[in-house]
Amino acid sequence: IAGITQAPTSQILAAGRRMTLRCTQDMRHNAMYWYRQDLGLGLRLIHYSNTAGTTGKGEVPDGYSVSRANTDDFPLTLASAVPSQTSVYFCASSDERGNNEQFFGPGTRLTVL
Amino acid sequence: AQTVTQSQPEMSVQEAETVTLSCTYDTSESDYYLFWYKQPPSRQMILVIRQEAYKQQNATENRFSVNFQKAAKSFSLKISDSQLGDAAMYFCAYRSAFTDKLIFGTGTRLQVFP
Repeated sequence: IAGITQAPTSQILAAGRRMTLRCTQDMRHNAMYWYRQDLGLGLRLIHYSNTAGTTGKGEVPDGYSVSRANTDDFPLTLASAVPSQTSVYFCASSDERGNNEQFFGPGTRLTVL
Repeated sequence: AQTVTQSQPEMSVQEAETVTLSCTYDTSESDYYLFWYKQPPSRQMILVIRQEAYKQQNATENRFSVNFQKAAKSFSLKISDSQLGDAAMYFCAYRSAFTDKLIFGTGTRLQVFP
């Protein structure tokens, strides 16, 4: 693994189903983030974690939950998916001791029908 | 709350020419960072250039440079000698010095014509 990986690459999901998007980084970054990207809206922050064991809400947290059991993994869960959650989801990480750059994963395209 | 505005949904440029993408932001803070990210059709988010607000000198990375006007809260990206591979969505982003969270603009789609 080099950088940030996300799984799955894409997914079609029936409304009402539960879904977990996976994110793993191997850079030992303390901070991790989940964004959603929608046409005309750019990227918006869903949840973040400054360090393992802590999480916080971003701009659009409703309908999503996260956990940060260790430094490397930051899964995003949709407990009961709705069509408005159709989007491209990006995971990112950063090291506050570094140059403030956030590194992004390749994204997951999620379609909720 | 901070906001980032990109007023140009689409721009186009001829290969080898120069193009400037606009970005303005709103903040009451004096210490922050500004970024330009490129998103090609592959969907990968790639950092193009970074500017620290406390630095007066405009950042430059090869063919990419910024015009940072702190008083006007403006942060435009200039691409010189445009190449076909520059075609992408470009996002401007703001980050406070006190948090790690990025605030993005809505993006500008750049087309490059041969």
